[in-house]
Amino acid sequence: DTGVSQNPRHKITKRGQNVTFRCDPISEHNRLYWYRQTLGQGPEFLTYFQNEAQLEKSRLLSDRFSAERPKGSFSTLEIQRTEQGDSAMYLCASSLDDIGLQSGANVLTFGAGSRLTVL
Amino acid sequence: GIQVEQSPPDLILQEGANSTLRCNFSDSVNNLQWFHQNPWGQLINLFYIPSGTKQNGRLSATTVATERYSLLYISSSQTTDSGVYFCAVGPYTGGFKTIFGAGTRLFVKA
Repeated sequence: DTGVSQNPRHKITKRGQNVTFRCDPISEHNRLYWYRQTLGQGPEFLTYFQNEAQLEKSRLLSDRFSAERPKGSFSTLEIQRTEQGDSAMYLCASSLDDIGLQSGANVLTFGAGSRLTVL
Repeated sequence: GIQVEQSPPDLILQEGANSTLRCNFSDSVNNLQWFHQNPWGQLINLFYIPSGTKQNGRLSATTVATERYSLLYISSSQTTDSGVYFCAVGPYTGGFKTIFGAGTRLFVKA
């Protein structure tokens, strides 16, 4: 088990360019989350998947943002036409729906994050 | 949506001191977790504690779900405890969405 892996770790781009981040969750985990964190703030929920189904999207996720999780494995988060306000750390987490562990248990394991800087 | 408030926002301790961090939430939750974010930004899960009390070494946590708060206790603090402590909750009506508070920034002086 190598934990949650995120790539790239750092991305610098010019305003207006598209960027894509990838998250590889812990292999047996069926839930996958994306969060955004800016300096001095807590992680803000963006979206989450259960297997390949995207179950909820935050209003923070504008039309320029899209997330996918094909086949319920890795996930990608794409930002189109980046703006300076998109500069942040993008965090991915995964969890296991294990009803045998504890009803409702949803312990999140986070990756190291992908830091985006938009110039 | 559910509101998560953490206090204090900032805390400076002398090494060896004890501290209590608080998390208040505005609605019923089906899960509650405490995380530590180290200076390199990595979030580490400390406790999954929707109710009751748990202990892990110098850390312990208590959640009183009926009164909508949770406490994280740090005893005999060490410089490696520095970082940001986050409380995160999953509202009963929110599926498995998990919402974070703004955190408590802790600095432990040697």
